[in-house]
Amino acid sequence: AQKVTQAQTEISVVEKEDVTLDCVYETRDTTYYLFWYKQPPSGELVFLIRRNSFDEQNEISGRYSWNFQKSTSSFNFTITASQVVDSAVYFCALSEARSGGSNYKLTFGKGTLLTVNP
Amino acid sequence: DTEVTQTPKHLVMGMTNKKSLKCEQHMGHRAMYWYKQKAKKPPELMFVYSYEKLSINESVPSRFSPECPNSSLLNLHLHALQPEDSALYLCASSQDLLRGRNHEQYFGPGTRLTVT
Repeated sequence: AQKVTQAQTEISVVEKEDVTLDCVYETRDTTYYLFWYKQPPSGELVFLIRRNSFDEQNEISGRYSWNFQKSTSSFNFTITASQVVDSAVYFCALSEARSGGSNYKLTFGKGTLLTVNP
Repeated sequence: DTEVTQTPKHLVMGMTNKKSLKCEQHMGHRAMYWYKQKAKKPPELMFVYSYEKLSINESVPSRFSPECPNSSLLNLHLHALQPEDSALYLCASSQDLLRGRNHEQYFGPGTRLTVT
């Protein structure tokens, strides 16, 4: 069975600090996909990134960066120079590439509430 | 345009009412989803439609009835709900369910449902 653990329930930082959100996953599949979503207080889940299991290259997008390490089953997310608008709940999620083609199921972590204070 | 819209934004209904939630996407996606999210919890999958056919029902009670009139629209019909059904209902869509395809899900803003 697949599982996603986000050990940090809440994180509070001051604006301009860097912050890393941890995500550890478990899966028996060799092919799988990892995602990060942001959920601001308005409620909509905003897709941030998708990573395939066969692509361990780290990615940077502006102030956001992701560190994917298969050896430790981790997919951590770092926000550099945090801003108040980054305040949200962040979910890490996993989907497996199932046989038969159906890979619909996202297994979410419990989420990390990030509060960035001015 | 990566946008999924949902109406209404807020809904209050009594336990004997019948209401519907609506979702629309114009990204040409062929998979659509309904999720339920309680406060401080991750979303829970309810239903998955693929090419307008119901593919997955995650053992959801029959008082929730999904409908996919066409490839852009997804409805969730509600009848005889219980107060514990109060939650944020999220719609999502993805390209499709085929193995190897991009299947990140794009979510709408949700409908906050209160059952009194």
